[in-house]
Amino acid sequence: AQSVTQLDSQVPVFEEAPVELRCNYSSSVSVYLFWYVQYPNQGLQLLLKYLSGSTLVKGINGFEAEFNKSQTSFHLRKPSVHISDTAEYFCAVRPGFQKLVFGTGTRLLVSP
Amino acid sequence: DAGVIQSPRHEVTEMGQEVTLRCKPISGHNSLFWYRQTMMRGLELLIYFNNNVPIDDSGMPEDRFSAKMPNASFSTLKIQPSEPRDSAVYFCASSFTGGNEQFFGPGTRLTVL
Repeated sequence: AQSVTQLDSQVPVFEEAPVELRCNYSSSVSVYLFWYVQYPNQGLQLLLKYLSGSTLVKGINGFEAEFNKSQTSFHLRKPSVHISDTAEYFCAVRPGFQKLVFGTGTRLLVSP
Repeated sequence: DAGVIQSPRHEVTEMGQEVTLRCKPISGHNSLFWYRQTMMRGLELLIYFNNNVPIDDSGMPEDRFSAKMPNASFSTLKIQPSEPRDSAVYFCASSFTGGNEQFFGPGTRLTVL
C-alpha cells in the first residue's frame, strides 16, 4: 500500500522568507507525485507534478519541488513567499493509474 | 470552461434527513471522484467512477452513503439517513482516465444538526 507523510501540520513564515514543506512517501511500486494547494473555502488546485525525467519540477506561483528517490521525498520549496501563499498544501502520490493518495496537509501561514 | 460544478455549495440539515450532493464533471473527462474533508481525518477518497462505472468504493464509510453516475455529465452522492458526524466538506473531482491531474470542484459544505 502507498502512504504519504507530511510531518509539519503548520508552517509559519514571514513574507519574503524562503519556505520548504516536507513530504515523504512509501510505496512498493513507482509512483507519480503531486502537490496541490487549497486556498480558504476553495477546492484543491494542482501546483506541480513529477511523472518522470528531471527530478526538479517547477510549478505555478514560483513553487518547485525535488524528487529524491533514495530518500522517498518530494519536498516543496519557494525562495520568497507572499501573503497570498497562505493556504493548505497537500502532497499526493499515485501508483500508476490508480487513485491518488493524499497526505494530511500542511498549513502555510505567511505573516508580514 | 466552467470547471467542475457542485451543488449545493452549502447544506444544513437535521439528523435523519436525506442529503443529496450533485456534481457535474468537466466535459470530456471520464473519471470522477468523490472526496470528504474533515479536520480530524483530512481528505478521504470515498468512491471513484470510470466511464460511469464505480471502480473503487472502499472509502464509502457505511451503507448510509451511496453514489451514482447515471451519465457522463452527472453524479450524485446521497446520505440517508444523515448523522452529525457526516458534517464535512465534500469535493467532487474529475479527470481523463489515467490523467495526471484531477480537477476539483469548489466543494459542498454539509452541516448535519
